[in-house]
Amino acid sequence: DVKVTQSSRYLVKRTGEKVFLECVQDMDHENMFWYRQDPGLGLRLIYFSYDVKMKEKGDIPEGYSVSREKKERFSLILESASTNQTSMYLCASKPTSGRARRYEQYFGPGTRLTVT
Amino acid sequence: TQLLEQSPQFLSIQEGENLTVYCNSSSVFSSLQWYRQEPGEGPVLLVTVVTGGEVKKLKRLTFQFGDARKDSSLHITAAQTGDTGLYLCAGYYGQNFVFGPGTRLSVLP
Repeated sequence: DVKVTQSSRYLVKRTGEKVFLECVQDMDHENMFWYRQDPGLGLRLIYFSYDVKMKEKGDIPEGYSVSREKKERFSLILESASTNQTSMYLCASKPTSGRARRYEQYFGPGTRLTVT
Repeated sequence: TQLLEQSPQFLSIQEGENLTVYCNSSSVFSSLQWYRQEPGEGPVLLVTVVTGGEVKKLKRLTFQFGDARKDSSLHITAAQTGDTGLYLCAGYYGQNFVFGPGTRLSVLP
């Protein structure tokens, strides 16, 4: 079974703090994603990476950065947390190949971040 | 912007009933996925469909991809309380996924 783990389930930070969210997958997937999920807005893509050291902006990258130094690990960084970044953050991974498999994203359990 | 719409937004039914939820778009997708998400957890992949007209069954769940690859449906037969959750569809377009807003299903005992 694919396993995607996230470093924290719940996190409370103060405005202006630097926040690191880490994601690790154990299935050797090439692609990794960071989403945020908010009521009424659904899942929105922040950043994704299709290879080590590669990153691409998603739909809402402002206020975030990412790092992928190893294939299995994808980190999301909030340089200076703000209250509007309070959200559920979801990491996902997927393989590149396979007729159907290459479309199959596997999600971590999520990190509920509250910025006060 | 590619949009996926899901209907109904909310659905509350009694255990044992059948139900169908829908996922629609004006865009053509390479594939479509269905996920179920429970409160406080990440979405769990249920199925991927890639061929127009494709039907897949997963126990009491039947998934269909529209012939034109713009829409999909999920039918649950004899719903159980364990089916309660948020059902999300996601379409693969270009390089990435577009998610629908979800259908929140409550199955009452």
